[in-house]
Amino acid sequence: GAGVSQSPSNKVTEKGKDVELRCDPISGHTALYWYRQSLGQGLEFLIYFQGNSAPDKSGLPSDRFSAERTGGSVSTLTIQRTQQEDSAVYLCASSGQGLGNQPQHFGDGTRLSIL
Amino acid sequence: SQQGEEDPQALSIQEGENATMNCSYKTSINNLQWYRQNSGRGLVHLILIRSNEREKHSGRLRVTLDTSKKSSSLLITASRAADTASYFCATDKSGGYNKLIFGAGTRLAVHP
Repeated sequence: GAGVSQSPSNKVTEKGKDVELRCDPISGHTALYWYRQSLGQGLEFLIYFQGNSAPDKSGLPSDRFSAERTGGSVSTLTIQRTQQEDSAVYLCASSGQGLGNQPQHFGDGTRLSIL
Repeated sequence: SQQGEEDPQALSIQEGENATMNCSYKTSINNLQWYRQNSGRGLVHLILIRSNEREKHSGRLRVTLDTSKKSSSLLITASRAADTASYFCATDKSGGYNKLIFGAGTRLAVHP
């Protein structure tokens, strides 16, 4: 498809397990963003990838969170030893070159529930 | 803390009425964007206004920006039930930042 694709759309797991969330950005977009959205809240920035530059990890809430972007395309967000407070919708977005005057294109998110 | 704060948090109107949502931010910006989010979906970009612009239109949408007050407003005219969604402002801080900072959003309900 032409849009940002995220998988899985829903993930339910037990506390303490590791989870991997995947984002497939729009082809040709060099900038990729991960956000977290708690119920009824705004978006919390997690991490930003731009081309081959070092990612901006300033939003990651703890060292249990990590993300990779392979080959400048697909990205994976990994949460280790999940906690109940990690329950949220994780949204991925991409934009052309990551400039502030460019819109971000969002996937529909992964709804993560930690039991 | 979040850069943008939307006001009101929730708004309920009848079809045909206008809806106005406000956004305030704290630091100097390059651009301000408005996004819409339908329940259970990702955000969709609506409109971008640059810091040197004061007003912008797109269809039934009108956005204003007052940099002296660090605020923006989104007006949706002749609202429709399909406009029911959450609306977020997002700012791109001046000084070399390439990431957007989102507010908490306004939940708009348009009743038929």
